[in-house]
Amino acid sequence: ILNVEQSPQSLHVQEGDSTNFTCSFPSSNFYALHWYRWETAKSPEALFVMTLNGDEKKKGRISATLNTKEGYSYLYIKGSQPEDSATYLCAFINTDKLIFGTGTRLQVFP
Amino acid sequence: EPEVTQTPSHQVTQMGQEVILRCVPISNHLYFYWYRQILGQKVEFLVSFYNNEISEKSEIFDDQFSVERPDGSNFTLKIRSTKLEDSAMYFCASRNSGGRGYEQYFGPGTRLTVT
Repeated sequence: ILNVEQSPQSLHVQEGDSTNFTCSFPSSNFYALHWYRWETAKSPEALFVMTLNGDEKKKGRISATLNTKEGYSYLYIKGSQPEDSATYLCAFINTDKLIFGTGTRLQVFP
Repeated sequence: EPEVTQTPSHQVTQMGQEVILRCVPISNHLYFYWYRQILGQKVEFLVSFYNNEISEKSEIFDDQFSVERPDGSNFTLKIRSTKLEDSAMYFCASRNSGGRGYEQYFGPGTRLTVT
């Protein structure tokens, strides 16, 4: 059974703090890992699609790294803002479907 | 920017009734998906659809479920006889051609409540 795990489940930080979350996934038969940002009542929005071991991607204050050999990815948010409050989902590609983790719910307090 | 839309946003139905959830994928996309999230659980894959046929389906997607692309723009999920355990948020997604690592674009979801 393919399993994707994320930690922590939830996180409360102050505005300006930097934070990071972890996604672990099966290291065999790796194809791609997706990170999504999901605000309540909105569509999950893709942040990154990561395919290569050692990949590092960045979008503004958010960045992600990938280690396919050991089966983990980190998502970093530098200088968190209240608008970063959302659930962050990682998903592993298997055949053509996404297998999701439980998500990390981030709340940033002003 | 093009987006995936879903209707209705919330559907309440009685157990045993049929429901149809509707999605309009992004217009030039060729691959279509349904996922669902039962409250408190992970988002889980239901079915993928390409070239007018099902490519893959999960164990959840039994004979009570069907999908259709009736007119080249809509993509529907039908549940023939709803059960209480079908209550969930249902997401439609689509992607362009190219490798399967390509980004899937999600709609905002339909919350289905079965009473």
